[in-house]
Amino acid sequence: NAGVMQNPRHLVRRRGQEARLRCSPMKGHSHVYWYRQLPEEGLKFMVYLQKENIIDESGMPKERFSAEFPKEGPSILRIQQVVRGDSAAYFCASSPVPDRRTQYFGPGTRLLVL
Amino acid sequence: TQLLEQSPQFLSIQEGENLTVYCNSSSVFSSLQWYRQEPGEGPVLLVTVVTGGEVKKLKRLTFQFGDARKDSSLHITAAQPGDTGLYLCAGENYGGATNKLIFGTGTLLAVQP
Repeated sequence: NAGVMQNPRHLVRRRGQEARLRCSPMKGHSHVYWYRQLPEEGLKFMVYLQKENIIDESGMPKERFSAEFPKEGPSILRIQQVVRGDSAAYFCASSPVPDRRTQYFGPGTRLLVL
Repeated sequence: TQLLEQSPQFLSIQEGENLTVYCNSSSVFSSLQWYRQEPGEGPVLLVTVVTGGEVKKLKRLTFQFGDARKDSSLHITAAQPGDTGLYLCAGENYGGATNKLIFGTGTLLAVQP
């Protein structure tokens, strides 16, 4: 049973470009969480999605960031007009129904903004 | 805002020694999870503790959840170089619309052979 998959593993963007991060949850999991790990900081919650619904986006920056989890395909975290401060490791986690309390993390995408 | 403070922040010990990592908060959590993260990888779940006072053992690792469900500890017996990594505690409040995890500040452990 494959784990949570994220791609790309590493992404380099110049300031002002767009970054798209993809997350395929574990088979059978319909809940996806995105977390960000900034250098020298801990993991911080960004957004929680179920298929076609954003349930909690309280950790998302108000501008330039968006997330989706379509009926088909992976969850996407999109960052528009990236700035150097967006450089971080972005992790996706998924959980099954009904045990939402157990979250399985992917390997992360390391975003570097030049 | 719920916060989880871990101590110590860094720990370097010799193989065979014992150690304890602490995770403290002023907030109550429904459950507390411990993860280990290695460089370049995502956190890997070690254990989930749910009941106040609960103790769980995983080989040489012993996890305890405080009676008031505000704190937890991780004790490693006879540490091995393979235990090296970043240990993270994470609190969760179950039953609401979201199960977002509140992560602790982390403890970086290095076990020297």
